[in-house]
Amino acid sequence: AQTVTQSQPEMSVQEAETVTLSCTYDTSENNYYLFWYKQPPSRQMILVIRQEAYKQQNATENRFSVNFQKAAKSFSLKISDSQLGDTAMYFCAFDNNDMRFGAGTRLTVKP
Amino acid sequence: NAGVTQTPKFQVLKTGQSMTLQCAQDMNHNSMYWYRQDPGMGLRLIYYSASEGTTDKGEVPNGYNVSRLNKREFSLRLESAAPSQTSVYFCASGGGGKGLAGGPQRNIQYFGAGTRLSVL
Repeated sequence: AQTVTQSQPEMSVQEAETVTLSCTYDTSENNYYLFWYKQPPSRQMILVIRQEAYKQQNATENRFSVNFQKAAKSFSLKISDSQLGDTAMYFCAFDNNDMRFGAGTRLTVKP
Repeated sequence: NAGVTQTPKFQVLKTGQSMTLQCAQDMNHNSMYWYRQDPGMGLRLIYYSASEGTTDKGEVPNGYNVSRLNKREFSLRLESAAPSQTSVYFCASGGGGKGLAGGPQRNIQYFGAGTRLSVL
């Protein structure tokens, strides 16, 4: 079974600075999808960014970008120009017909 | 645009009681999912429905049943609640269609606001 590991239970960053959240996964599959979801205190799960494994180019969405290393099975999320509203739990997820989530990283953006 | 709507938002049950969590989506998605979220464990898939009329077990299906009532609605039932089922439950929907290796294409999932369930 696929597993997703987020090794940083908690992180903090100063407003306007850059932070990188780590995610590794274990799979024998070649084609799959990877996601980062954000869960603010409201508990709503919000999609941040998506990466298809067959695409070599790293996905970007405004201030959010990923570093996808397929051989290393690594999928980190970089948040640039951090904002107070970025404070949330961030979940990495792997999907190949069976969605698996990591345990999450609690990110706090400090003013 | 409501997206994915879950009811109720909160529920307290006694051990052995039954209840059904309701989920409806208005995005015309084929696929719908039920997850539970426990502290320190992220989300785990309970059941999913790739299309109307089909349901499949996920990672943690024991103690639950589901019904895909129609394309819009996907309910989760606890027949005899246990304290181990205390959790936050999320419903999600996605575009569906064929995906990798002929399985459901889950791509982007849109989540409801969650139901906090406590079983005493």
